[in-house]
Amino acid sequence: GQSLEQPSEVTAVEGAIVQINCTYQTSGFYGLSWYQQHDGGAPTFLSYNALDGLEETGRFSSFLSRSDSYGYLLLQELQMKDSASYFCAVSSEESGYNKLIFGAGTRLAVHP
Amino acid sequence: DAMVIQNPRYQVTQFGKPVTLSCSQTLNHNVMYWYQQKSSQAPKLLFHYYDKDFNNEADTPDNFQSRRPNTSFCFLDIRSPGLGDAAMYLCATSRGWGAEREGNEQFFGPGTRLTVL
Repeated sequence: GQSLEQPSEVTAVEGAIVQINCTYQTSGFYGLSWYQQHDGGAPTFLSYNALDGLEETGRFSSFLSRSDSYGYLLLQELQMKDSASYFCAVSSEESGYNKLIFGAGTRLAVHP
Repeated sequence: DAMVIQNPRYQVTQFGKPVTLSCSQTLNHNVMYWYQQKSSQAPKLLFHYYDKDFNNEADTPDNFQSRRPNTSFCFLDIRSPGLGDAAMYLCATSRGWGAEREGNEQFFGPGTRLTVL
């Protein structure tokens, strides 16, 4: 069966760098996505990795290692507004060609 | 701006009283999804459509139904809401599906928070 694991909570200070890890287990892996969700808000797409390596978008970067079934989201120069939940999500043959399976989410708290 | 719109934002219903949630999109995307999200949990997929091709998740209760009368609109009907159905209901779209980014980048509406009394 499929599974995704990510830490439930991460705490960091403003200006710091934080890494949120995600390990997955599935068959026929397509790619790994990351979504951000503020309390009471809707998930917002951040990134998608289908190939090994690092993708950078501003202060956020996402990494994938297909051989290790592992990825991470890197947030740099943390700001208070980055306090939110972050979900990794997998698409694969096992989940179905047109569906995402979300991890349980990591709640990031950024402190002054 | 192109977007995903959900109405109402907040819905209160009584136990067993049918309720319909609506979603519209101006993105002209082929795929539409309905998710249920409970507090501090991941979004759980209920249904999705590719155009009018309907796909029901195996564990979606029969109490939940969906309609997509055209590309722009999608409805979620809860025939007899129970207390356990209180949640945020999220509508999302994507341009396509599959292994490419367009299948994995989903655009979410603001959600409808359902309260069951």
